[in-house]
Amino acid sequence: GAGVSQSPSNKVTEKGKDVELRCDPISGHTALYWYRQSLGQGLEFLIYFQGNSAPDKSGLPSDRFSAERTGGSVSTLTIQRTQQEDSAVYLCASSPRVLKTGELFFGEGSRLTVL
Amino acid sequence: AQRVTQPEKLLSVFKGAPVELKCNYSYSGSPELFWYVQYSRQRLQLLLRHISRESIKGFTADLNKGETSFHLKKPFAQEEDSAMYYCALQFQGAQKLVFGQGTRLTINP
Repeated sequence: GAGVSQSPSNKVTEKGKDVELRCDPISGHTALYWYRQSLGQGLEFLIYFQGNSAPDKSGLPSDRFSAERTGGSVSTLTIQRTQQEDSAVYLCASSPRVLKTGELFFGEGSRLTVL
Repeated sequence: AQRVTQPEKLLSVFKGAPVELKCNYSYSGSPELFWYVQYSRQRLQLLLRHISRESIKGFTADLNKGETSFHLKKPFAQEEDSAMYYCALQFQGAQKLVFGQGTRLTINP
């Protein structure tokens, strides 16, 4: 596709439920990032995948959060036992193999609301 | 730890007035710094990078290593500049960006 695609665009769930958010990066981009955008916290790094290397999980806020990237393309971010503080917009971004220019290409985000 | 601070969550100026969005960083090495912008109902996108020393849409940003700042400036604000602005840092050898908390800029007519 022309850009990074994320689904669902909106998700409302009840506290304690699990959710899965999907990201389809730009074709040919081997690096994939997840960020969380929330009021007051700005843009928080969650996790980064680069090719077949081990992902950088240093930004995941708790063990309820996990992500995988199958086949070096599509990624899924899973939040287990959701809490109200998980409510945010989850942004996915991709970039060519080496982040030389600092340009990340972002998707439109998945807005998560936990009731 | 590497950190980016944008002290103003909200900034409101009148059309035609100068605008400055502040960004400070904490990093002892040689950083790469960027400004990203998100217009209403659009995706977050790169606005400019310090290494290019470019002016984009009338905006410029100068890296001041002494003050560890990278403020974004425009001499005459326009209504279409209203958006959310994020300052971002890429530290040496890293493959990820650290973003600030963002500043919502509103240009009043």
